[in-house]
Order: sequence, then structure tokens, then C-alpha cells
Amino acid sequence: TAGITQAPTSQILAAGRSMTLRCTQDMRHNAMYWYRQDLGLGLRLIHYSNTAGTTGKGEVPDGYSVSRANTDDFPLTLASAVPSQTSVYFCASSPGTADTQYFGPGTRLTVL
Amino acid sequence: GQNIDQPTEMTATEGAIVQINCTYQTSGFNGLFWYQQHAGEAPTFLSYNVLDGLEEKGRFSSFLSRSKGYSYLLLKELQMKDSASYLCAVRDGNYQLIWGAGTKLIIKP
Repeated sequence: TAGITQAPTSQILAAGRSMTLRCTQDMRHNAMYWYRQDLGLGLRLIHYSNTAGTTGKGEVPDGYSVSRANTDDFPLTLASAVPSQTSVYFCASSPGTADTQYFGPGTRLTVL
Repeated sequence: GQNIDQPTEMTATEGAIVQINCTYQTSGFNGLFWYQQHAGEAPTFLSYNVLDGLEEKGRFSSFLSRSKGYSYLLLKELQMKDSASYLCAVRDGNYQLIWGAGTKLIIKP
């Protein structure tokens, strides 16, 4: 089973460019999440979606946007990338908001 | 503010036992999670505690004391493959996960 897939695996992006990180899950989970992980810091929630058609802001939402048009897909868009957005981005999903979260393999993004 | 504290790094010997501590201060509490993360990989779920006490799962056990805001992960019969970071996370009153920075566990032969 695929579980959660993320694309691309890694990317180098010029500052000021836009980019969409893709996340797809085949577990029919209702809730999905985007985190960033930086050295020395815990995972930080960027945006979340409790169910298809709804989204919410997490701890560090500035500079990012998301959409949840269907159950399976939860893309994260950087409208105009800045070097501080250099990070590893993880997508996660859970059956419901009170359930265990399962993570995708991550996207390593470098903004120059 | 909300805070999760765990040691940055620990070293242990193959075959031994190690205890990784986690203390937390959050706005509300709806459970505590431990995840394992190997270098360059995604976090994977290890354990979940919502009531006080010890949860045992094979070589791994997790303990919770809600009154003390404290948890530990106990790893027995350490193997080289247990070298990884161990992440403590608390689900707060809004059902958001608050994450610690992780404890890097180094296993020596």
C-alpha cells in the first residue's frame, strides 16, 4: 500500500519563485497536515485540514497556502519563496483529528 | 506558552536499557505520543498514552504522569537499528500536536 506520497523528494528553488508541494494519501483519512522540520526545532504545523473542503492555520502559516478539494490530496503552495522557507516539509494524515498521525516521506526544499 | 522538553542527545550501549524523558507544559492535554525518526526519514508512530501509567509494546514502553507533566520512553535490549531520533508530542486542548525537538539516540557496540 502506498500510504502517503509526497512530491518532489527534493527541490532547489530560487527566491521569489512559486512552488507547490504535493501530498496524496490513499487511506481515506479525513484529516491532513503540513509540517516543517528545522534543525534543533520540533515539527511545526503550517496548515491543516480536518476534512475535505476545510482548512485551518497552524503555528507558522505565513507565506504558505493550502487547498483540500478532495479527501486524497492536500497541496502546499509557496507563493513567493524566501530563504527562511528552506526546510524539510512533511505531510501527515489521520483518520480523524483525535487519531494517530502518519507521515509521508518528506520534501527537502532549499530556497536560494 | 506551550513547551515540550527532552534531552538533545543520549548515548547507550547495544544490549542495554535507555530511558528518554519528556516534560511538557501545554494548554490542555489530550494524549502524548512518541515517534521514532531515522535520519533522512519520516517520523513513525511508536506509542500513545492518555491515562497515567505504563504502556508496554515489545522492547519499547512508555510511561505517563499527567499530574507531573512527564513521560518517558524506555527502550530495552538496545539494537544498533534503534539509533534514531525520538520525538515526544502532546495533543493540546485544541487537538493540535505540539512537538519536542527530539532526542538523538546513539547506540555504541
